[in-house]
Amino acid sequence: DAKTTQPTSMDCAEGRAANLPCNHSTISGNEYVYWYRQIHSQGPQYIIHGLKNNETNEMASLIITEDRKSSTLILPHATLRDTAVYYCIVRVADSWGKLQFGAGTQVVVTP
Amino acid sequence: DAGVTQSPTHLIKTRGQQVTLRCSPKSGHDTVSWYQQALGQGPQFIFQYYEEEERQRGNFPDRFSGHQFPNYSSELNVNALLLGDSALYLCASSLDPEGTEAFFGQGTRLTVV
Repeated sequence: DAKTTQPTSMDCAEGRAANLPCNHSTISGNEYVYWYRQIHSQGPQYIIHGLKNNETNEMASLIITEDRKSSTLILPHATLRDTAVYYCIVRVADSWGKLQFGAGTQVVVTP
Repeated sequence: DAGVTQSPTHLIKTRGQQVTLRCSPKSGHDTVSWYQQALGQGPQFIFQYYEEEERQRGNFPDRFSGHQFPNYSSELNVNALLLGDSALYLCASSLDPEGTEAFFGQGTRLTVV
C-alpha cells in the first residue's frame, strides 16, 4: 500500500470549514483514499473514501486531485466535537484486511 | 445495535504473564481485525480473522495469537508480556474481509508493569 503524508497538527475556528490535506504521491490506480478520525479515548471512526471522483456524505467532503497524488478532506462547519486525530489511508478496495494508519493530523477546533 | 464491544476496558498485568482480550463484532459482521495503538501513535494492524481463520497478519511476533468463534466473536491472546506491550488494543469489525467501512470498538487499555 502507498504511504501518506499529513501535517502534524492544525487549528480551526468553530463554524468555519476545516481543510485537511494529504499527500499520497505513490498511490496506485486501484488504491482508494480513506479517511478515519479518532476522538480522544475512542476507537477510530470511518468518515469517507474515494477513488478519483470527489465524494460527499453527511460528515465531510473528499476532494481528490486529477493526478490522484493528493487529496483534501473538508469538514464544512467544524464544531468542537470535531476535535480529533484525522488519518488519511490508501488501500486497495476489495482486498483483504489491514488499514495502515500513520500518525495522522491532530485537529483542534477552538471556540 | 451495540456496535463493536470489547472487554475488559482496562487491564493491568505483570511482565511475563499472559492476557486474553475479547471482542464482539457489530451485528451482521463476520470479519474481525485487531490493532495495537501505542501512546501517541496510530493503530498498527495485528491480524484479521474471517471464517474462524487468521487471514492476514501484521508484523507482530508469535506471542500474539487469536481466535474467532462460530458466532464471529474473537479473542486476542498475548503471551510472555513485555513492558512494550502496554498499549490500547482495538478491535474492528466489517461486513466481510473486503469491507469498505471498518467499525472500531472503544478498545482495551493494557498496562504491563
